[in-house]
Amino acid sequence: EAQVTQNPRYLITVTGKKLTVTCSQNMNHEYMSWYRQDPGLGLRQIYYSMNVEVTDKGDVPEGYKVSRKEKRNFPLILESPSPNQTSLYFCASSHMTSGRLTPTWEYFGPGTRLTVT
Amino acid sequence: EDQVTQSPEALRLQEGESSSLNCSYTVSGLRGLFWYRQDPGKGPEFLFTLYSAGEEKEKERLKATLTKKESFLHITAPKPEDSATYLCAVRRMDSNYQLIWGAGTKLIIKP
Repeated sequence: EAQVTQNPRYLITVTGKKLTVTCSQNMNHEYMSWYRQDPGLGLRQIYYSMNVEVTDKGDVPEGYKVSRKEKRNFPLILESPSPNQTSLYFCASSHMTSGRLTPTWEYFGPGTRLTVT
Repeated sequence: EDQVTQSPEALRLQEGESSSLNCSYTVSGLRGLFWYRQDPGKGPEFLFTLYSAGEEKEKERLKATLTKKESFLHITAPKPEDSATYLCAVRRMDSNYQLIWGAGTKLIIKP
């Protein structure tokens, strides 16, 4: 079954304690991305990756890090979490849309609800 | 400023009562418009991509249309299982990887 998995699904932590949210896809997709979703604000892209070792900033990258050492995995790292990073996080993956040279972002993970106190 | 606005914020319909959701956008050149469905506690589920004005796409009871300023998601004879939040997003002409998202329309279909 084609899927994007995220772990953990729920996380409560304290300010400043480093954490990693894992994301894995089993579809051999080149593109992967991290989003955060906050009420009334819509989805906002944090980082995206076009392939192994190729990443770039999205709209709200401050306070986050990513790495793409393997094609299937794209972990999100919060080195020093703060309360304003409390949010619902989604990982997404995509192949390149045929003839368009762009990803469709058609597969999303189930989400990770992070609370930073 | 680039913006995607969805209306209404919430819509309650009786089962079988057809209606439309609106997504209006202001971007400097449209490269694509995307519709997703999101169930509570789950990630968005991709529905459609539209690329040019006049384009239409259908999937079961859903039909998406696109003009130069907005897109409509028409729902024909909806069922309770169509209840979800519907998200709209656009890609600007100068962007390969990023989308500008609307806040969504929460659709509730009562049996």
